[in-house]
Parts: sequence; structure tokens; C-alpha cells
Amino acid sequence: KQEVTQIPAALSVPEGENLVLNCSFTDSAIYNLQWFRQDPGKGLTSLLLIQSSQREQTSGRLNASLDKSSGRSTLYIAASQPGDSATYLCAVRRMDSSYKLIFGSGTRLLVRP
Amino acid sequence: DTGVSQDPRHKITKRGQNVTFRCDPISEHNRLYWYRQTLGQGPEFLTYFQNEAQLEKSRLLSDRFSAERPKGSFSTLEIQRTEQGDSAMYLCASSLWTAPYEQYFGPGTRLTVT
Repeated sequence: KQEVTQIPAALSVPEGENLVLNCSFTDSAIYNLQWFRQDPGKGLTSLLLIQSSQREQTSGRLNASLDKSSGRSTLYIAASQPGDSATYLCAVRRMDSSYKLIFGSGTRLLVRP
Repeated sequence: DTGVSQDPRHKITKRGQNVTFRCDPISEHNRLYWYRQTLGQGPEFLTYFQNEAQLEKSRLLSDRFSAERPKGSFSTLEIQRTEQGDSAMYLCASSLWTAPYEQYFGPGTRLTVT
């Protein structure tokens, strides 16, 4: 059974700091891995999607890496801003016809002004 | 195209009552997914449809839960005889079969069972 774990569960940093969020998964048979952002009481916004054959993806100040063999991914946020405060969810897409997502429990990020 | 919409956004009900939620996917999206998210946890898969066919149901979907997608357009999720443990955010997502990785999520329905 695929399990996704995110560490840390919560993180508080001062504005401007670079930070790394971690995600690990137990079964390497995945199509891809996706990072989402969730603001309180809201739905999910996709940030980055990394295919299983890729090592990393970048979008603006965000960089996500994937090491499928070790079952790990990291999300790097450069020069954090208060507007980055949210919950960040990591999800893997199982290698079956459903393409459903299996999520970790998230990292709650607070960027202090 | 206004994205995935869900109705209602919030629902408060007493234990034992039945509730029904609606999800309207992005136009022409033939795949529709339901997920449930409890406080402090990530979303968990409940079920998904391709057009009007319900292709998979999670073990989380007990006999009190039923989902439909008549005519392959909007979907409804009904919970009968609600329990306090049903309190959660219910999220809907849709995608094209030809672009299954691009799942777009709705804003969710927050259910509180008192």
C-alpha cells in the first residue's frame, strides 16, 4: 500500500529565508509526483508536476526534485514571502488506470513578515 | 469556463440526517473524482467516474455513501444517516481522459455534523 509522508508537519520562517519541504513515499511504482498549495478552507492549486522519468521541475521561486529510487521529493522555495503562507501537499499518482492521487498530510508553512 | 464548482460550500447538519453535495466539472471533462479531507490531513480518494460510469470506489466509501454522475455531466455525493466522523471537506476534481494528469480541483464542500 502506498503511503506518503511529509516532514515537517509545520514550519515557521522569517520572510526572505530559503526553505525545503520534504516528501517521502513507500512505493516507487508511480506515474508522477505533484505538489499542491492549499489556502485555509480552500481547494487545491497545482504548483509543480514531476514525471517519474524526470529529476526536477522549476516554476519561478519554486523547484521540486524527485528521486524515485529512494522514494523522496523535495520542494525548495527561494526567498520566501508572507504570501507563501499556506499548506503544501505532496501527492503521488499511482501507476494504474485511475490516475488517482495519494496525498501526504501536508506541511503548514507560515512566513513571518 | 469557470473551473470546477461545488455546492454548497458549507453544510451543517445534525447527526442522522441525509446530505447531498453537487459537483459541476469543467465542461467536457470526462473524468470526475471525489476526495475527502479531514482536519490536518491530506485528501483521501473516495471514488471516480469516467463519463457516467463509476469505475472505482474506495473502502472509505461505506454503504451510507453513494455517488452518481447521470449523463456524464455533474455529479452528486449523498451521505445517509450522517455521523460525526463524516465531518470533513469533500473535494471534487475533474480532468480530460486525454490529459489525466491535469486534475483541476473545486473549492470543496465543508460538512459539519453536530
